[in-house]
Amino acid sequence: AQKVTQAQTEISVVEKEDVTLDCVYETRDTTYYLFWYKQPPSGELVFLIRRNSFDEQNEISGRYSWNFQKSTSSFNFTITASQVVDSAVYFCALSENNAGNMLTFGGGTRLMVKP
Amino acid sequence: ETGVTQTPRHLVMGMTNKKSLKCEQHLGHNAMYWYKQSAKKPLELMFVYNFKEQTENNSVPSRFSPECPNSSHLFLHLHTLQPEDSALYLCASSQGDREYGYTFGSGTRLTVV
Repeated sequence: AQKVTQAQTEISVVEKEDVTLDCVYETRDTTYYLFWYKQPPSGELVFLIRRNSFDEQNEISGRYSWNFQKSTSSFNFTITASQVVDSAVYFCALSENNAGNMLTFGGGTRLMVKP
Repeated sequence: ETGVTQTPRHLVMGMTNKKSLKCEQHLGHNAMYWYKQSAKKPLELMFVYNFKEQTENNSVPSRFSPECPNSSHLFLHLHTLQPEDSALYLCASSQGDREYGYTFGSGTRLTVV
């Protein structure tokens, strides 16, 4: 079984629509970290957010928001009023205690925002 | 210079060539990584170095040879590659403390002809 599952491989929306990218993870650790990265066409993965397993507060940063729910092992990412510049591949990742300092990445979700 | 720098950004090489990819970080990180990203495929971890020592080799073919002379530099030496090795090769670094995640370079887009 995959440790980090991003079931949506591609999503296409029209500008100004809201869109949610799903991430489901699997771990036996009680202490772990979750991340979201954005990969624009230029190639570099850009860090967006880190969340530790003890902090279930949802976070909002401008048009971005994250919903962490331990009960469903999900860490979903919502973009409000999407823009063309949001078009990218988005990766969810998990860092577990028994994996040292290694991240396990999901397969990524390609988001296409059309004007 | 900050962040993780990868050179070259683009590389085209023949199957009989020998080339090297370079990654450099000045973030004070002690762990460095090579990832391969093929078209429409997940990120594949290739190698991990902690304090210059290789701690992970994810069953990578021997035509890929990593080198980590110090904590700031990481190389990937390439020889007798195959067309299916064409991909984006990403370097990343981390502090070694898992809560901080990775900092990535912009990658080298490799085309093997």
